[in-house]
Amino acid sequence: DGGITQSPKYLFRKEGQNVTLSCEQNLNHDAMYWYRQDPGQGLRLIYYSQIVNDFQKGDIAEGYSVSREKKESFPLTVTSAQKNPTAFYLCASSISGTSNQPQHFGDGTRLSIL
Amino acid sequence: GENVEQHPSTLSVQEGDSAVIKCTYSDSASNYFPWYKQELGKRPQLIIDIRSNVGEKKDQRIAVTLNKTAKHFSLHITETQPEDSAVYFCAANIVPGGSEKLVFGKGTKLTVNP
Repeated sequence: DGGITQSPKYLFRKEGQNVTLSCEQNLNHDAMYWYRQDPGQGLRLIYYSQIVNDFQKGDIAEGYSVSREKKESFPLTVTSAQKNPTAFYLCASSISGTSNQPQHFGDGTRLSIL
Repeated sequence: GENVEQHPSTLSVQEGDSAVIKCTYSDSASNYFPWYKQELGKRPQLIIDIRSNVGEKKDQRIAVTLNKTAKHFSLHITETQPEDSAVYFCAANIVPGGSEKLVFGKGTKLTVNP
């Protein structure tokens, strides 16, 4: 899905450092999502936003923060409070915030600890 | 709680054979069931989805069946090819009453041997 761009592809975090993962979409979708993927764990929801200027915690929000100031952008900050941040992070969007709409994913950001 | 169980976790078949992956869900109000294919290091891609008003849906070699009474749904791949090798994820939506989101299974790694 070329309409969802995540950057960077690889990111390294030092101890005590906050890092921000970018997610941009040009699909004019209302809803955006952040998932964390660990081996054997499937996709776990971190935060989601059904509409601009609004967002909700997912299942594993602790140690993460988001903002949704623009419809096309939903950045995720991994804070120093997240003690095990090494994972593959996927951003997704859907045309509306109702849960019965297909979600389309970006290429992901792989975050590692230095 | 909200849960999607997926089996098996790994599946190995010979080229040309069929593959079946099964999922069960816990929320009786769920009405949307997508399936995603994820190749190594790449984004999950939607391959087929089904809504609760139908019992079966086909797209070429792929089909999905849904049994709402038993709360389970299955992915069927016929005439498997090596390029079908990937991790497959099922999901079910959580409808109003709780938060609007998809809950994913933990994935099935399918290997098609030439």
